Amino acid sequence: KQEVTQIPAALSVPEGENLVLNCSFTDSAIYNLQWFRQDPGKGLTSLLLIQSSQREQTSGRLNASLDKSSGRSTLYIAASQPGDSATYLCAVNGGSNYKLTFGKGTLLTVNP
Amino acid sequence: DGGITQSPKYLFRKEGQNVTLSCEQNLNHDAMYWYRQDPGQGLRLIYYSQIVNDFQKGDIAEGYSVSREKKESFPLTVTSAQKNPTAFYLCASSARTAQETQYFGPGTRLLVL
Repeated sequence: KQEVTQIPAALSVPEGENLVLNCSFTDSAIYNLQWFRQDPGKGLTSLLLIQSSQREQTSGRLNASLDKSSGRSTLYIAASQPGDSATYLCAVNGGSNYKLTFGKGTLLTVNP
Repeated sequence: DGGITQSPKYLFRKEGQNVTLSCEQNLNHDAMYWYRQDPGQGLRLIYYSQIVNDFQKGDIAEGYSVSREKKESFPLTVTSAQKNPTAFYLCASSARTAQETQYFGPGTRLLVL
């Protein structure tokens, strides 16, 4: 059974800092991995989807990397801003047509 | 604007009552999903539908029911059999399968009176 872990559960940084969020998964036989952002009391917004054949994906100040063999993905946020404050979740698709396995998320606070 | 809408934003349920959460999408997506989110837990899949008039149970379907009569709509009913319904409910859709990007609605928070 696939399990997805995100460490740390919470992270607080000063504005302007570069930071890394971690996601690990137990079964390396994945199809893809997605990173989402969730603001308090809101739905999820997809940030990046990285296929199992890819090593990384970039969107603006965000860069997601994937190391399938070690069961890890990182989300790198450059030059963090207070508006980046949110919970970041990763989700793994193991080839299923319907199932994503989600981590519990990392709550990021960027202080002005 | 293309997207997913959910209503209501807040819903209150009395003991023994069934309540229905609405989910509508105008993205022309075939696949739709219902998730439940509890504090400190990851999202859990309740039901999913990959095509009109077809839906399947997810990991925690007991006490819930759905219908998919139209491509755009995937309502979720929380029945009286669901003993712990207090949670944040999220609807999502993707073009065809969960192997593609999922787009989420704003959520419905269900509280028990």
